[in-house]
Amino acid sequence: QKEVEQNSGPLSVPEGAIASLNCTYSDRVSQSFFWYRQYSGKSPELIMSIYSNGDKEDGRFTAQLNKASQYVSLLIRDSQPSDSATYLCAVNVIQGAQKLVFGQGTRLTINP
Amino acid sequence: SQTIHQWPATLVQPVGSPLSLECTVEGTSNPNLYWYRQAAGRGLQLLFYSVGIGQISSEVPQNLSASRPQDRQFILSSKKLLLSDSGFYLCAWNYGGGYEQYFGPGTRLTVT
Repeated sequence: QKEVEQNSGPLSVPEGAIASLNCTYSDRVSQSFFWYRQYSGKSPELIMSIYSNGDKEDGRFTAQLNKASQYVSLLIRDSQPSDSATYLCAVNVIQGAQKLVFGQGTRLTINP
Repeated sequence: SQTIHQWPATLVQPVGSPLSLECTVEGTSNPNLYWYRQAAGRGLQLLFYSVGIGQISSEVPQNLSASRPQDRQFILSSKKLLLSDSGFYLCAWNYGGGYEQYFGPGTRLTVT
């Protein structure tokens, strides 16, 4: 069973600080990794994709990938109350129609 | 640009009643289409996916079915709803060559 694991939280971070979200995955052959943000009552929104080892930055967001450790993370700098949401990690499944496996999500709260 | 629609947005149905949820994608052709269910406080469970008209793959055996009568239309159905069918139903699509998935706004189903 291919799995993606995240700490469910809640993770509480003061406004302006760095929020760090972590995800581990079990399938060594996975090549594509994604972070989705889901506000309460809304559908998930893709915010970051990463395919190679190292860091990828987009505005206040940085995704980090370490395939040897099967670990992917998301850093949010200068956290804002509007960043309060559940963050879902997703990893590709090699066989069949570009499927993704999602983690359970980490609930993040940014405290003003 | 591509847009994905789902309807209805909210649905309350009695146990044993039928169900039909619809998803359509605009602005692309021959997308892969996916149905997910998210139970309260839980992760995303892939229910069905489709790589083309009339091609449906089921991930979880249950009393739900899916159909794809047109290239950009995906329908989720049930003949008799169970209480356990309550949840947030999400349709997603992606390009045939990639793994990034984009979600519709979702349908919140409550079975009473």
